[in-house]
Amino acid sequence: NAGVTQTPKFQVLKTGQSMTLQCAQDMNHEYMSWYRQDPGMGLRLIHYSVGAGITDQGEVPNGYNVSRSTTEDFPLRLLSAAPSQTSVYFCASTRPSSYNSPLHFGNGTRLTVT
Amino acid sequence: AQSVTQPDIHITVSEGASLELRCNYSYGATPYLFWYVQSPGQGLQLLLKYFSGDTLVQGIKGFEAEFKRSQSSFNLRKPSVHWSDAAEYFCAVGAVYQGAQKLVFGQGTRLTINP
Repeated sequence: NAGVTQTPKFQVLKTGQSMTLQCAQDMNHEYMSWYRQDPGMGLRLIHYSVGAGITDQGEVPNGYNVSRSTTEDFPLRLLSAAPSQTSVYFCASTRPSSYNSPLHFGNGTRLTVT
Repeated sequence: AQSVTQPDIHITVSEGASLELRCNYSYGATPYLFWYVQSPGQGLQLLLKYFSGDTLVQGIKGFEAEFKRSQSSFNLRKPSVHWSDAAEYFCAVGAVYQGAQKLVFGQGTRLTINP
């Protein structure tokens, strides 16, 4: 069982560069989300999607774009990276509209912006 | 708005000792509460969850948590810790809003185990 797969595991960017963090799940989960984890701040929701073609903003969406063209994939795009975006990023998925179903997390992408 | 506070950033206990990690939440309705554990370099894994019913819930790896509405708390406990329990622990409060599950996480508590 692959679960939630994130690539790459590590990335270093220069300020102003763009990149896409990939997230794929093979559990047919309709709900997918992106979190960032910073020391002392826990995890904060960036964007989420309740199904293909539907996305919405979370708590800290500025500087990030998402799209959801398929159920399986939910990429996160940084259009112009800033040092404040240095963080560990987690993708998570679950069944739709189900508070009983836990979030399944990927292993994270550690991003450094210099 | 939902919020979660984990008052202890870092806790150190000896192997075999009992453990209690504190979690306080703020939420206007009946909360859905979760504890997740994160091992180094890994994603988060669900330990246990509370939605309704019995206020003492059992989870994996020998953990349990007690929901106390009067104290707005959901503390995590384990009677005897093992070295493999060293990790970071996150409490979260959730709600289903417009068809989407939204979780708000606490800041996390890092657990160190002394041999």
